[in-house]
Amino acid sequence: NAGVTQTPKFQVLKTGQSMTLQCAQDMNHNSMYWYRQDPGMGLRLIYYSASEGTTDKGEVPNGYNVSRLNKREFSLRLESAAPSQTSVYFCASSVQGAYEKLFFGSGTQLSVL
Amino acid sequence: SQQGEEDPQALSIQEGENATMNCSYKTSINNLQWYRQNSGRGLVHLILIRSNEREKHSGRLRVTLDTSKKSSSLLITASRAADTASYFCATEETSGSRLTFGEGTQLTVNP
Repeated sequence: NAGVTQTPKFQVLKTGQSMTLQCAQDMNHNSMYWYRQDPGMGLRLIYYSASEGTTDKGEVPNGYNVSRLNKREFSLRLESAAPSQTSVYFCASSVQGAYEKLFFGSGTQLSVL
Repeated sequence: SQQGEEDPQALSIQEGENATMNCSYKTSINNLQWYRQNSGRGLVHLILIRSNEREKHSGRLRVTLDTSKKSSSLLITASRAADTASYFCATEETSGSRLTFGEGTQLTVNP
């Protein structure tokens, strides 16, 4: 039982390049989330999907897009990466919303040069 | 902006001592959760307390919630070096279905 799996673990991009961060969960959870974590700060919500077929903006959605491909997978896309998007990105899932605990992936360290 | 604010930002104690971290928040909540993050790793859920609860225990962890003061505390008793990590509180606001995190407390437990 893998839980929440994120790929890649590390990525270096040049300004303007695009990429997609992948996330998959095998716990049959309905809700999935993308957070970013910057040094000395807590996690900030980028986008979330309360259930399959729905996505909503979080606190810092600008410069990102998401796709809830199916119940298992929730991807985050950077269309034109900027240095301000250098961060650690975490995917998480929960049974339903924030009513219960979140399970987190191990993170993607992204550097944009 | 962050919903929760942890205090202190950093805490250094000796093994065997108790560690207390506090969290304050701004709006009405459904629940408050505490998470732990070891360096370079993802977050791990520790404990969840609902708005109608005042205290909860899990092993060496004790969490209290005071909704009138919009604050919570996490107590780790008989700390161990392995408890060294960052600890975050997170709140589910009554107006939404998402979890908002504070900036965390860095706990260092010295052997």
